[in-house]
Parts: sequence; structure tokens; C-alpha cells
Amino acid sequence: GAVVSQHPSWVICKSGTSVKIECRSLDFQATTMFWYRQFPKQSLMLMATSNEGSKATYEQGVEKDKFLINHASLTLSTLTVTSAHPEDSSFYICSAPTTGSSYEQYFGPGTRLTVT
Amino acid sequence: AQSVTQPDIHITVSEGASLELRCNYSYGATPYLFWYVQSPGQGLQLLLKYFSGDTLVQGIKGFEAEFKRSQSSFNLRKPSVHWSDAAEYFCAVGINFGNEKLTFGTGTRLTIIP
Repeated sequence: GAVVSQHPSWVICKSGTSVKIECRSLDFQATTMFWYRQFPKQSLMLMATSNEGSKATYEQGVEKDKFLINHASLTLSTLTVTSAHPEDSSFYICSAPTTGSSYEQYFGPGTRLTVT
Repeated sequence: AQSVTQPDIHITVSEGASLELRCNYSYGATPYLFWYVQSPGQGLQLLLKYFSGDTLVQGIKGFEAEFKRSQSSFNLRKPSVHWSDAAEYFCAVGINFGNEKLTFGTGTRLTIIP
């Protein structure tokens, strides 16, 4: 099946700094990618939809100025957590759907962010 | 808006025993339904999906799920679990075919005892 990678797999940063997380579709093109946040022992919450060539669409309650999303190409979307605070510590997961009759979303392995 | 409920937070079963994980959804029409498994350090992996047609769908790793419209349910089953099935299982619903976001249930953690 298709593969989605994320980098880094884990990152520790100090409060007030910014962190960039990359999401790549390795063997297919994705005009749309999704970014999720998962708290410990909780479900995935959709944060935003990343659209290649246009602005991201954010879910209600998600600060777009804090979570900057850029979909630079058909295989790469980035999520930048700006001025990170400890409450931003979480597991961030991206996904990319395929198109056509075999529709399926492929998920990256996730990025563990810890803000100290 | 659609929603998904997984009533069981944690289930423990013996290896070789049968398994059923419950999933109920709320949506006005027939949604697109998915079951994913998440293992530590791994991305979510699709076990199976239901779009239309036969309400009993077969997936990977010996899993199956049955869509019951009258009960708004999409329960996941496996006749005999293996220790490697220990993981977190998520039910998800989509409302559009194509590049559409998914709404996930809260997940069920499966523990397998020897």
C-alpha cells in the first residue's frame, strides 16, 4: 500500500520556540492532507485540512496563527507549531487520502512533540 | 454533524478467544465506515472499510465487520485473536467519498492474555 512518512518522529523543544513537522506521501500524490492531534489515550482530533496550492482549512477552535500549515507540493505538507507551550505537547499525525474507487487514507507514524 | 461512539475503552481477551469491538455512529444517511488499528510506533493501519453493498465486510488479519443500519453499528469481529492483535482500535466515519475528513471514535485498547 501507499506510504506516508513523518519527520521527525519525536522532538523536544523549549517553550517559546517553533517546531516544524513534515508529512510526505512517498509513492503517490496528495492534493489534500489532514493533520490530527492525539492526546494520550484519546482519539484523533482533526486539526486542519492541508490543500496543495491554497490555504489550509482549520477546524473550529484550532488557532491558525499558532499551527501554520503549508502544502508546498503534491507530496509534502508541513505543520509548524509556533511559540510552542507545554500544552502543545501531543502526538501529531498526518494522513493523505488516495483518490479513485479504492479510496483510502494512509496515515503517517506520528510525531511526538514535547515542549519543556 | 456525525459522531462515533466506541463504548468499550479497554477489552482484555485470552489468546485464541473470539473478539468483538463495538462501534456506533450517528449520521442521517449511510456513512462510510472504517476500522483502523494503531500499534505503538506505527501509523494507523486500515483493517477494513464499508462503502456500500454487502453489509459483512472482510478485512486484513482475519478481521471482519458487519454494518447494521437498524442499529447504527459497525462492530469489528475476529474469531480467534493472536497476541499480535494487542493494539488500539479506532472506528471512524466519513460522509463523502473521496478526500474527506474522518471522525474517529475514542478507541478501544485491546489486551491479549496468554
